[in-house]
Amino acid sequence: EVQLLQSGAEVKKPGESLKISCKGSGYNFNTYWIVWVRQMPGKGLEWMGIIYPGDSDTRYSPSFQGQVTMSVDKSISTAYLQWSSLQASDTAMFYCARGGYGPKSDGPFDYWGQGILVTVSS
Amino acid sequence: DIQMTQSPSSLSPSVGDRVIITCRASQSIRNHLNWYQQKAGKAPKLLIYAASSLQSGVPSRFSGSGSGTEFTLTISSLQPEDFATYYCQQSYSTPYTFGQGTKLDIK
Repeated sequence: EVQLLQSGAEVKKPGESLKISCKGSGYNFNTYWIVWVRQMPGKGLEWMGIIYPGDSDTRYSPSFQGQVTMSVDKSISTAYLQWSSLQASDTAMFYCARGGYGPKSDGPFDYWGQGILVTVSS
Repeated sequence: DIQMTQSPSSLSPSVGDRVIITCRASQSIRNHLNWYQQKAGKAPKLLIYAASSLQSGVPSRFSGSGSGTEFTLTISSLQPEDFATYYCQQSYSTPYTFGQGTKLDIK
């Protein structure tokens, strides 16, 4: 069974750093893209970027370029999303999802993690 | 970036109604269009991919159509469990943008 298991909720202060995770299981993690999606409270879905675990090829949305960093550790089938300095406006739910198969990144997002609520407040 | 615009933004249909949601792209995306359902407090769920292909396990009352810039999601006979928010998403070129969502509220 394909599963994406995300790490637990986080409460941080402005200026702090954070790294959240998404662990894939039940499939060949290296051959499917992982996408990150933000959902601010009461709002819609925003595509943040996508990473291919096979070679760490990464594409960011211009809205998030420079604001976050995506990475993977193939040895433990885990993808990461990190911030170096959080702001209150980063408060949101963050989802990872499995994207397309192989080098082309254009597949649908067929399996989703349960989401991680990140709260940034002083 | 390709802009995705859904209409309507909200709808209050009754159980048994036929529901049609429209999604328009700011440029041609061929058939690179996916639909998701999100229930309150839950992760989104893939319903339709490549504009008209039904994801495994999704009831056949859901269907998708369209190509180029105009797409529709149809629910042939709305069931109580279908009250949710629906999003279209283009996978033609990055950033793979979502529509703003269409919320189905119980009448």
